[in-house]
Amino acid sequence: GQQLNQSPQSMFIQEGEDVSMNCTSSSIFNTWLWYKQDPGEGPVLLIALYKAGELTSNGRLTAQFGITRKDSFLNISASIPSDVGIYFCAGQRMNRDDKIIFGKGTRLHILP
Amino acid sequence: DTAVSQTPKYLVTQMGNDKSIKCEQNLGHDTMYWYKQDSKKFLKIMFSYNNKELIINETVPNRFSPKSPDKAHLNLHINSLELGDSAVYFCASSQGPPYPGLQYFGPGTRLTVL
Repeated sequence: GQQLNQSPQSMFIQEGEDVSMNCTSSSIFNTWLWYKQDPGEGPVLLIALYKAGELTSNGRLTAQFGITRKDSFLNISASIPSDVGIYFCAGQRMNRDDKIIFGKGTRLHILP
Repeated sequence: DTAVSQTPKYLVTQMGNDKSIKCEQNLGHDTMYWYKQDSKKFLKIMFSYNNKELIINETVPNRFSPKSPDKAHLNLHINSLELGDSAVYFCASSQGPPYPGLQYFGPGTRLTVL
């Protein structure tokens, strides 16, 4: 079935560093989404993107909808301890039902 | 106020048993979902209901049966539980098209089959 390729799989960074992760697909997507999951909790929506080329920020988070509609990235600036968690990209394909497909997640670890 | 709630939070049971997980949302959304998250944290949609009508039914064994008594509730019943059913099950809801991605997730139910 359709898959999203999310990378990196995990990241180990120092507090204060900037973080970048991305998602690619072989198919065109109509919507790109970024979620974060804290341990023991459900995913929470961070940013939603609806137009090719769109760049959207949410505090220290910035995400972009790729021009080709086949990719998206998420940047986190000046990371803090509470940024630790799993970040998922997700997408909805064009002219399809309302199913969204999730990437396999990027696990963010912050070193003390 | 909890937007999407699930019960129970934890469920430990023996192989072969039948169990149910309940989900309720108070957001007034029309669409509800069930997802399965495996041990590698991969999230996969199982079912989707819109106004009590089944919309999405992924390749899930028919031992899994969703039931939506009204649009605020979507329960998941599992018959003859197997070891491979152990996972975290998430309920979610959304307003549906044209913004189906704006999904709100419940806290999850960790199912362990012994």
